[in-house]
Amino acid sequence: AIQLTQSPSSLSASVGDRVTITCRASQGISSALAWYQQKPGKAPKLLIYDASSLESGVPSRFSGSGSGTDFTLTISSLQPEDFATYYCQQFNTYPYTFGQGTKLEIK
Amino acid sequence: QVQLVESGGGVVQPGRSLRLLCADSGFTFSSHAMHWVRQAPGKGLEWVSVISYEGSNKNYADSVKGRFTISRDNSKNTLYLQMDSLRAEDTAVYYCARDRAHCTNGVCYRGGWFDPWGQGTLVTVSS
Repeated sequence: AIQLTQSPSSLSASVGDRVTITCRASQGISSALAWYQQKPGKAPKLLIYDASSLESGVPSRFSGSGSGTDFTLTISSLQPEDFATYYCQQFNTYPYTFGQGTKLEIK
Repeated sequence: QVQLVESGGGVVQPGRSLRLLCADSGFTFSSHAMHWVRQAPGKGLEWVSVISYEGSNKNYADSVKGRFTISRDNSKNTLYLQMDSLRAEDTAVYYCARDRAHCTNGVCYRGGWFDPWGQGTLVTVSS
């Protein structure tokens, strides 16, 4: 199975900060990567698909980039509602897999 | 707006069975592949299984292969997960999620990402 490794596992930041989360795949997955946001007690919410396509309704401060094995999720200016856990997911090959998550906390 | 609602969770003893359901209130259920994803308490997301839009193709995580069976009834807009030989490590919130991949009028569009998700149903395997 393809392993996804996210870094960092946790991150403290302030409102207005620019934040970048990295997701590295154990083998090439082209652009078959999605990013999700999850808040406590809630289902995950789709943010980005195909590595860099912004889901409809998601604020433009979220962006994704990368292909092959290295991907990033960037939040250009953190808002209070962005403090959550973020997951990457590959859909290049079954079994689909998720990264271990990055918890974004308020500094 | 498409809404997915899971049910069927609860407390079950190791070795026993449980069947989860996911009801889709939308109009395009039969056009989309569907997934189950689980999340153990305090842990990350784990993909469990997928079924194609018409039900002929299925895939499973190694951790549940041979014990779980995914199925669907398009006439009832309902997805199922039959879980047999349950283990303590199957304890988790189980989410159903719609794959963006769909087939309409004989044309199929690729996907692989999940939206929307249900609210989840908790399965606890304990003696």
